[in-house]
Amino acid sequence: DTEVTQTPKHLVMGMTNKKSLKCEQHMGHRAMYWYKQKAKKPPELMFVYSYEKLSINESVPSRFSPECPNSSLLNLHLHALQPEDSALYLCASSPIGRGTGADTQYFGPGTRLTVL
Amino acid sequence: QKEVEQDPGPLSVPEGVIVSLNCTYSNSAFQYFMWYRQYSRKGPELLMYTYSSGNKEDGRFTAQVDKSSKYISLFIRDSQPSDSATYLCAMRPWEGKSTFGDGTTLTVKP
Repeated sequence: DTEVTQTPKHLVMGMTNKKSLKCEQHMGHRAMYWYKQKAKKPPELMFVYSYEKLSINESVPSRFSPECPNSSLLNLHLHALQPEDSALYLCASSPIGRGTGADTQYFGPGTRLTVL
Repeated sequence: QKEVEQDPGPLSVPEGVIVSLNCTYSNSAFQYFMWYRQYSRKGPELLMYTYSSGNKEDGRFTAQVDKSSKYISLFIRDSQPSDSATYLCAMRPWEGKSTFGDGTTLTVKP
């Protein structure tokens, strides 16, 4: 299994809703990432988990709350989002963990989020 | 000034030509260089990964890194319509996060 899976593929939510995005990998990778990508822009890093511990939070608003229940799973909990948060949310994983050199990232297909 | 500058697109070429996609960077600490292909409304797919200066070939794709000039390229030989996508360069130091270019959108016409 050489892929990162994400669910759901599409999500529409209101500003008062609470929802979660899920990401899973079974490649034994020890780092997992959340990125946000707006149309025609590169991915922007949000969070990094290394060995199941949050190692990077790129000053993301608290309405986004990551969770790493185990080494294969990564969640992003969403609450009280704004319309400008509409974007493609990408999960990625890398084999070794941040800060160990040759650690390329493999991306999932993304969840396309629309906030009404 | 951005740390990574990618040749702006869009780029439109006829099928069969050699395509050259390019990025320049300013951070001397970058050591790992990646190229991703992203089809419309999909996640980025890792195409090539190189460490430091030199060339790396994989099928029709060649990645080239020139650290002295802080310049990287991706060459696509015998381009196909299925190569039509946005190509993102990315690079990272030994420790730290990846920095992405803005992407170049390529269209290969039959």
